[in-house]
Amino acid sequence: LVVTQSPSASASLGASVKLTCTLSSGHSDYAIAWHQQQPDKGPRYLMRVNSDGIHIKGDGIPDRFSGSSSGAERYLTISSLQSDDEADYYCQTWDTTFQAVFGGGTRLTVL
Amino acid sequence: EVQLVESGGGLVQPGRSLRLSCAASGFNFGAYAMHWVRQAPGKGLEWVSGISWNGDNTEYADSVKGRFTISRDDAKNSLYLEMSSLTTEDTALYYCSRDNSFDYWGQGTLVTVSS
Repeated sequence: LVVTQSPSASASLGASVKLTCTLSSGHSDYAIAWHQQQPDKGPRYLMRVNSDGIHIKGDGIPDRFSGSSSGAERYLTISSLQSDDEADYYCQTWDTTFQAVFGGGTRLTVL
Repeated sequence: EVQLVESGGGLVQPGRSLRLSCAASGFNFGAYAMHWVRQAPGKGLEWVSGISWNGDNTEYADSVKGRFTISRDDAKNSLYLEMSSLTTEDTALYYCSRDNSFDYWGQGTLVTVSS
């Protein structure tokens, strides 16, 4: 089970960006979670995204953040980008009930 | 308010041991699975270990299996990670996280393994 993310992405202040997480072959029905890590902070849970595209957000996560799904890809869309959205975004899934697998993370730069 | 506060990190020589703690508050600790996740300097997140809500089930990453032991004390609302035979590869910021959904995280405690 491998979770693949692009190392970097960028978008302008006020614009939207869509980050992609790709599940390896044979795991296209897996749910994932997105986590945000701002510079020098611990990670923050954003949402769970199921294979049917249904997403369940964590406490206090703004409506600007949404999730979706297509095949083996899971997406995180951030609209109306703000400067503090500049962070690393990690995709995570589960190999077993307890064993988590993280993607390498995408560093988002807000221009 | 859910809070997770890690402690116990520090500088340790290769081959030595260290015990990390995670103090939980703001939720019913005994009802949740808990996890340890680490982050080497400049690198991404790596899952280390998890323990079920009742402590009956534990899992470990291959990289730490046989060297690390996860445990919990529900009376103290605390999670632990006993680390032995440490190597320089174990140098990282260690986070505790709540539930199999990893829905809350601490700020981490830094472990540096160096001679």
